[in-house]
Amino acid sequence: DTGVSQNPRHKITKRGQNVTFRCDPISEHNRLYWYRQTLGQGPEFLTYFQNEAQLEKSRLLSDRFSAERPKGSFSTLEIQRTEQGDSAMYLCASSLVSMEQYFGPGTRLTVT
Amino acid sequence: KQEVTQIPAALSVPEGENLVLNCSFTDSAIYNLQWFRQDPGKGLTSLLLIQSSQREQTSGRLNASLDKSSGRSTLYIAASQPGDSATYLCAVTNNDMRFGAGTRLTVKP
Repeated sequence: DTGVSQNPRHKITKRGQNVTFRCDPISEHNRLYWYRQTLGQGPEFLTYFQNEAQLEKSRLLSDRFSAERPKGSFSTLEIQRTEQGDSAMYLCASSLVSMEQYFGPGTRLTVT
Repeated sequence: KQEVTQIPAALSVPEGENLVLNCSFTDSAIYNLQWFRQDPGKGLTSLLLIQSSQREQTSGRLNASLDKSSGRSTLYIAASQPGDSATYLCAVTNNDMRFGAGTRLTVKP
């Protein structure tokens, strides 16, 4: 399977814990994006990378959120001190510059 | 700030009908517009990408148009089938990608 993959698919955590999600993009894609989606809404942009450089960050990305793409391949999104409001589907996408974005299946986070 | 609106929020049609989904955006300075399909609990599947210099794109029974000056795009689905039932999202790209809330389509057999 050469599509975008995300792990884990589901994560249940207690409030205050840290969680980390991983995204593996399509191998030749130099751009990688993170989004958050809540029920009944479209995805909200969080951040994107071009190769290993983080080029844009949304104001939605509070200090508790950090994303990395250390070698310009896979990326991780970490949420520290999780809150119930962080419960959402976290989506990753990849693309070539200015081309179609391809999405992964998402990681569903539930904070109890 | 770019805002994307999709109308209607939900649509139910009998199988075989042709239908149009609408997307409007407030800032015409976009790089491209993309239409996606999302099944419940799943990720997004790209349907069509229209670059800012293009007016329309076609793929099978789907045709998407773009009028940048008026900030509008439409997705036309011909001869709808029950398998087309899903939420359809449009998204515009400037420096980031902004999505509409989607149109939930139900095609009844």
